[in-house]
Amino acid sequence: GQNIDQPTEMTATEGAIVQINCTYQTSGFNGLFWYQQHAGEAPTFLSYNVLDGLEEKGRFSSFLSRSKGYSYLLLKELQMKDSASYLCAVGYNQGGKLIFGQGTELSVKP
Amino acid sequence: DADVTQTPRNRITKTGKRIMLECSQTKGHDRMYWYRQDPGLGLRLIYYSFDVKDINKGEISDGYSVSRQAQAKFSLSLESAIPNQTALYFCATSDGANYGYTFGSGTRLTVV
Repeated sequence: GQNIDQPTEMTATEGAIVQINCTYQTSGFNGLFWYQQHAGEAPTFLSYNVLDGLEEKGRFSSFLSRSKGYSYLLLKELQMKDSASYLCAVGYNQGGKLIFGQGTELSVKP
Repeated sequence: DADVTQTPRNRITKTGKRIMLECSQTKGHDRMYWYRQDPGLGLRLIYYSFDVKDINKGEISDGYSVSRQAQAKFSLSLESAIPNQTALYFCATSDGANYGYTFGSGTRLTVV
C-alpha cells in the first residue's frame, strides 16, 4: 500500500531551526516533494529530491534517503511568515501522480 | 492572471443538488488533477487526466465525475451532493517532467 507519515504539529521559535520529518512507503518512487500551504490557500512548491542527499535553497533544505524511505525539510532562521502547513508528497510510477502526507502544521512563536 | 484558475472560490449548496467546479490553466500542461483536502486527511486524488481523451479515477472517485473539455479545461461534477463532500477542492496541473504540480487557489464547497 501507499503510506506517508509526518508529524501533525510542531512549534518553534522565531530565528531558530526546525526539522520536519517524513517517512514513506510507496509502490514505485519518482521523487519526493515538499510543499508549503498557508491556511485556506493553495500549496506552493518548495523542493524536489529524486537522488539521495541534501538539496539547499536559501533558508530551506531538503534531504532524502531512498533506502530508508525518509526525508526531512529543514527550515533555518525561522520567521513568523513560516507558520504554515508543510506537505510531504511522493511521486510514484503510475502516471505522474503524487500521494500526499497529511501535512505538518508549524507554528512559529516570537 | 493566475496560471491555474478555479471557479467558484466558495460555494454553499444543498444536499441532492448537482454542482460543477471548473478549472482552467494557461500553463500549457497536458496533465490535470482534482484533489480534495479535509482536515487531518491531507490531499486525496479524485480524478486525473493526461489529455483530452484520457481520464482516470483516483483513490476517491465515487460520487464524482469529470470532463476534460480542452487541454486547458478540466471540470469536476458532483451529481448529487452530500454533506460529506464538504471540503476544499484543488485543481492542479503538471508537465510530467518532474511531477511538480501547480495548484489553483481552491474551491471551498459546503453541502448543507
